[in-house]
Amino acid sequence: DAGVTQSPTHLIKTRGQQVTLRCSPKSGHDTVSWYQQALGQGPQFIFQYYEEEERQRGNFPDRFSGHQFPNYSSELNVNALLLGDSALYLCASSSPGRIGNEQFFGPGTRLTVL
Amino acid sequence: GQQLNQSPQSMFIQEGEDVSMNCTSSSIFNTWLWYKQDPGEGPVLLIALYKAGELTSNGRLTAQFGITRKDSFLNISASIPSDVGIYFCAGRDTGKLIFGQGTTLQVKP
Repeated sequence: DAGVTQSPTHLIKTRGQQVTLRCSPKSGHDTVSWYQQALGQGPQFIFQYYEEEERQRGNFPDRFSGHQFPNYSSELNVNALLLGDSALYLCASSSPGRIGNEQFFGPGTRLTVL
Repeated sequence: GQQLNQSPQSMFIQEGEDVSMNCTSSSIFNTWLWYKQDPGEGPVLLIALYKAGELTSNGRLTAQFGITRKDSFLNISASIPSDVGIYFCAGRDTGKLIFGQGTTLQVKP
């Protein structure tokens, strides 16, 4: 049973550029959440996608956008990158309809903005 | 952003010792979770708590959901070297998770 997968594992960009990160959920899960984890901090919620729509959003600017595809996979896009966007970006999948449903995390994408 | 207060920030213990860490919040949560994160990995779910006062075990790990629903603690008994890592508490607020800052655990063989 494949868990949550993310690509790429590492990425280096320069300020002002745009980046797209990808996530495939755990088999049987239909909901994808994205988190940003700065060094030495706990993950911060960015947004959650269900049925191809953004269902909930954290305190992140509009430069952060996302998409969910019919196969439940998801993308996170960040425009006009800032140095402060350097972080580990985590994707988590879940299935709200299930009892005891919780979020399972992927290994993350390490983004470095120079 | 909103975070939970987790303590201690770090711990350095001898193998075989018991460990206790806790998490407090100014807000009420209906679900408390404990995750462990190893370097270069995503957080892995250890224990989920759904009811105030609930005490749940997973092997050598035991966690409790505080009566006030504003706190939780995690105990690890008879620590071993592979317990090394960062432990995060999280409260679930509708669909999103609110995380603590983490407790870094180091175990000396």
